[in-house]
Amino acid sequence: DGGITQSPKYLFRKEGQNVTLSCEQNLNHDAMYWYRQDPGQGLRLIYYSQIVNDFQKGDIAEGYSVSREKKESFPLTVTSAQKNPTAFYLCASSIGLDTQYFGPGTRLTVL
Amino acid sequence: GIQVEQSPPDLILQEGANSTLRCNFSDSVNNLQWFHQNPWGQLINLFYIPSGTKQNGRLSATTVATERYSLLYISSSQTTDSGVYFCAAAFSGGYNKLIFGAGTRLAVHP
Repeated sequence: DGGITQSPKYLFRKEGQNVTLSCEQNLNHDAMYWYRQDPGQGLRLIYYSQIVNDFQKGDIAEGYSVSREKKESFPLTVTSAQKNPTAFYLCASSIGLDTQYFGPGTRLTVL
Repeated sequence: GIQVEQSPPDLILQEGANSTLRCNFSDSVNNLQWFHQNPWGQLINLFYIPSGTKQNGRLSATTVATERYSLLYISSSQTTDSGVYFCAAAFSGGYNKLIFGAGTRLAVHP
């Protein structure tokens, strides 16, 4: 089946730890994105990548890092510098400016 | 600044009723999408509609790009239509970076 997978579904982090969220797609899409959603709000863009080995900051990149070594993979690291990381994280992919398709999300909670 | 505004913020319907959700955006767009977020958080694509009109079953959408608004119509609503509806736009010159509205929370009662 073609689609976007995210893992884990739930993640718990202690203060001061870095954690990495996985996003994989087999849609052969060039572009991939990471968004953050806080309760009762819309999504906000963290990072995006138009092609392999290239990525750009979105609106709320501070405290996050990404890599794009393979077309199908775009992992997000939430670093200890992110002051309020508890949120729902969604990954998406697209062909250029066309429709973005979203994965099922990862819920991150800081203990 | 660039903005996407949705109305109404909340909507309560009886099963079988029709509704219209509105999305206003502040500039020219490359991309405009409507999503339904289910109770588990999954964002389901409804329409990719930077301009024109599309229909899919009981749902239809119209975007009037020159007047900077989009409408989502839900006809003969069902309880499974409940959830949050988001409009998101990518503005010209901004690649495909979607800016989301705050959403319309829809509750359909039997």
